[in-house]
Amino acid sequence: QLQLHESGPGLVKPSETLSLTCTVSGGSINRSNYYWAWIRQPPGKGLEWIGTIFYTGTTYYNPSLKSRVTISVDTSKNQFSLKLSSVTAADTTIYYCARHAGHGWYYFDYWGQGTLVTVSS
Amino acid sequence: EIVLTQSPGTLSLSPGERATLSCWASQSVSNNYLAWYQQKPGQAPRLLIYGASNRATDIPDRFSGSGSGTDFTLTIGRLEPEDFALYYCHQYDTSPQTFGQGTKVEIK
Repeated sequence: QLQLHESGPGLVKPSETLSLTCTVSGGSINRSNYYWAWIRQPPGKGLEWIGTIFYTGTTYYNPSLKSRVTISVDTSKNQFSLKLSSVTAADTTIYYCARHAGHGWYYFDYWGQGTLVTVSS
Repeated sequence: EIVLTQSPGTLSLSPGERATLSCWASQSVSNNYLAWYQQKPGQAPRLLIYGASNRATDIPDRFSGSGSGTDFTLTIGRLEPEDFALYYCHQYDTSPQTFGQGTKVEIK
């Protein structure tokens, strides 16, 4: 059974860079031809796609965040990561990692449990 | 960007009743690339429907999806206690992928 697990600091200071890692277990990132994504959800609000990466390193970003986002993959560790720079209070949300289904840039069939990141001094 | 608008914001129903949730897209969603998710407090979203009308693995048949173009519907045939939750639609046709703002199904 595929499992995804987010990890990283729960508190980040304004103007700093948020860094999160998603560890994938029960399947290999580089042998599966799947796309992997980051999604976020402000507490009590809706969902926002942040970006997606393929195991080759090809990335796709939401234009609303593109200037601040970097997603990378480490196939040796079966992980992919998110960096969001110049954070503000508006970046205080729950961050999820997820897998796109079907060997394409499709819907999300597996999700991590989510991790809350608070931006505060 | 395709904007998805869900209606109603909140649906108050009793167990055993039928729930009808709507999702309207600001432009046509090609190939019926529209999914529905259920989310309970403190949990990640769970995939219910993909391709507008295909149930995901292990999803009960009381959940059904329909629609095309700009108008999509999620129907829950007879509400079970565990169905009271938030529901989101999601289009994966064009970038950026977007979600609706959600419909809360609450116990009346």
